[in-house]
Amino acid sequence: SQELEQSPQSLIVQEGKNLTINCTSSKTLYGLYWYKQKYGEGLIFLMMLQKGGEEKSHEKITAKLDEKKQQSSLHITASQPSHAGIYLCGADSNAGNQFYFGTGTSLTVIP
Amino acid sequence: GAGVSQSPRYKVTKRGQDVALRCDPISGHVSLYWYRQALGQGPEFLTYFNYEAQQDKSGLPNDRFSAERPEGSISTLTIQRTEQRDSAMYRCASSFSNYNSPLHFGNGTRLTVT
Repeated sequence: SQELEQSPQSLIVQEGKNLTINCTSSKTLYGLYWYKQKYGEGLIFLMMLQKGGEEKSHEKITAKLDEKKQQSSLHITASQPSHAGIYLCGADSNAGNQFYFGTGTSLTVIP
Repeated sequence: GAGVSQSPRYKVTKRGQDVALRCDPISGHVSLYWYRQALGQGPEFLTYFNYEAQQDKSGLPNDRFSAERPEGSISTLTIQRTEQRDSAMYRCASSFSNYNSPLHFGNGTRLTVT
């Protein structure tokens, strides 16, 4: 199986602060996806990264995939209470069968 | 439909009963996945289909769990002789293909076994 470790496990920040969440794989990633889950709700797709060194941004959220394709980071600039939730990274297995999720990072933004 | 639809939204059943959870994927999506999610944890893979073929069922906890997708569209996850430890949120997702294609999730079915 392909394990995805996320850090930190939880994060509490003051509104307006920047933050970074990391996702590390034990194997080369063939596709890395970021999802957000609000408490008690479904998973919302944020971004997909495929190429080493790729970076994508949407509003105040930027995701990067390192050159070796084993680590991704999600950076939120000037956090807002609406950013609160659980952030999950996910990846295709190299066999193209299973889709794995990371351990999750719980984000709380204090107004 | 516009998104992945799961039913029922909530299911309460007594221990020992069988339950069937339904997933209606996004039209045209080839791949369909079932996950189970405990509170505060990430989704745990159960099984996955390409069209009607079950490609991987290695995540099913035991033989009380089964899934089918007979016509390559709607899928049913069946749990026989439910136990209290089966209580969880069961999530279905679909994707356009099984590779390099994001999964789109339904709202899930909250199963409670009493």
